[in-house]
Amino acid sequence: GQQLNQSPQSMFIQEGEDVSMNCTSSSIFNTWLWYKQDPGEGPVLLIALYKAGELTSNGRLTAQFGITRKDSFLNISASIPSDVGIYFCAGQETGGFKTIFGAGTRLFVKA
Amino acid sequence: GAGVSQSPRYKVAKRGQDVALRCDPISGHVSLFWYQQALGQGPEFLTYFQNEAQLDKSGLPSDRFFAERPEGSVSTLKIQRTQQEDSAVYLCASSLGGARNEQFFGPGTRLTVL
Repeated sequence: GQQLNQSPQSMFIQEGEDVSMNCTSSSIFNTWLWYKQDPGEGPVLLIALYKAGELTSNGRLTAQFGITRKDSFLNISASIPSDVGIYFCAGQETGGFKTIFGAGTRLFVKA
Repeated sequence: GAGVSQSPRYKVAKRGQDVALRCDPISGHVSLFWYQQALGQGPEFLTYFQNEAQLDKSGLPSDRFFAERPEGSVSTLKIQRTQQEDSAVYLCASSLGGARNEQFFGPGTRLTVL
């Protein structure tokens, strides 16, 4: 089945630092999604990408849809303590109903 | 406004028991999804409903898992004869339109099978 490889698994950073995480897939996706999940809650959509090469920002977050359609990255600039949580990439194939999630990147921010 | 709600939030079952997990989607949302999230992993797709029609159930791990949405609103995920490997958080999500619209997730039901 489809697999998403998300890295790194965890990151420990200082407040104010920039963060980068990425995802690669064995399959071509036509949509890439980035979610954040806080403890005891469901994931919340941060950014959605629909076209190869697309670069989209949402505040301090920037994400890109890779040209090959098999990868994506998420950058967080000037991290703050409330950025702590688990970040998931997810992809959707053409014509399907499934959203495939990566295993997550756990972000820890030290004030 | 009300988001997606799930009940119960926590469920402890003895191995072999049947359980029923409820999802109340956002009012008017056409699409409803169920996911299973094991500890330390991302959500894994179980099944998808468009209104009352179950269009994809390819993610259900075995025939012990059954989902329904009889009136196109509330959905129930039933697990028969629970096993320890069924222990996970079960997430429900809904979207206004089709499967590609933004999904809004509930807080999940944490199922522990002893």
